[in-house]
Amino acid sequence: GEDVEQSLFLSVREGDSSVINCTYTDSSSTYLYWYKQEPGAGLQLLTYIFSNMDMKQDQRLTVLLNKKDKHLSLRIADTQTGDSAIYFCATGRRALTFGSGTRLQVQP
Amino acid sequence: DADVTQTPRNRITKTGKRIMLECSQTKGHDRMYWYRQDPGLGLRLIYYSFDVKDINKGEISDGYSVSRQAQAKFSLSLESAIPNQTALYFCATSDVAGDRNEQFFGPGTRLTVL
Repeated sequence: GEDVEQSLFLSVREGDSSVINCTYTDSSSTYLYWYKQEPGAGLQLLTYIFSNMDMKQDQRLTVLLNKKDKHLSLRIADTQTGDSAIYFCATGRRALTFGSGTRLQVQP
Repeated sequence: DADVTQTPRNRITKTGKRIMLECSQTKGHDRMYWYRQDPGLGLRLIYYSFDVKDINKGEISDGYSVSRQAQAKFSLSLESAIPNQTALYFCATSDVAGDRNEQFFGPGTRLTVL
C-alpha cells in the first residue's frame, strides 16, 4: 500500500522560513495535501497541489512537488509563533494515507 | 455550529467494555471516515463509507466495527475495548470533486482504555 514519510520534528526561530518535507510511494495520486493540527484540535486543510503542477504558492505558503523523486515540501515564509503545530502530508484517491506528522516549534 | 461533531470528546473505559463513538455532519457530504491518531504514527484509517450502503475496511479495522445510520451519521464501535485502543479518534467527511479528496475533520475523541 501507500507509504508517506515525514521527519518528526522541526524547530525554527520566529521570522525564519520553515521547510517541511515529505516523501511518498504512490505515483498514481492526483492530489497531494498538507494539513495542520493545532493543539487539542482536529486537522485542517492548509493547501493542496495537483500532481501535474511543480509549485503552488498561497500567501506565506509554497508547496513544491518533485514527481520524479516523489518528494513534496511545504515552505512557510516569515514563520510566526502561531504556526506552531503538527503538519501532515497526505495523498490518495478513495482514502487518504497520512504521514506521521512533523511537529513545528517556533522559538521567539 | 461545527460542521463535523464527535461525541463524546473524552471517554475513559475499562478493558472488555463496549464503546461507541459517534460522528455527525451538517456538510451534506456522502463520504465519511474514521481514523485513529497515535503519537509518532500519524493518522491511520479504520473504516470509511462512501454512502449509506457502502462500508469499507481501512488499514487497521480489526477490533472495530462501524454503522452508517444516515448520510449525516457514522458511528464507530469497539466491541470489547483493550488498552492498545487508547488513542485519539477522528471522524472526517469529504465531498466528491473529481479526484480531489479534501477532508473535513471533527475535533476528535480522546479514548482511554484502562
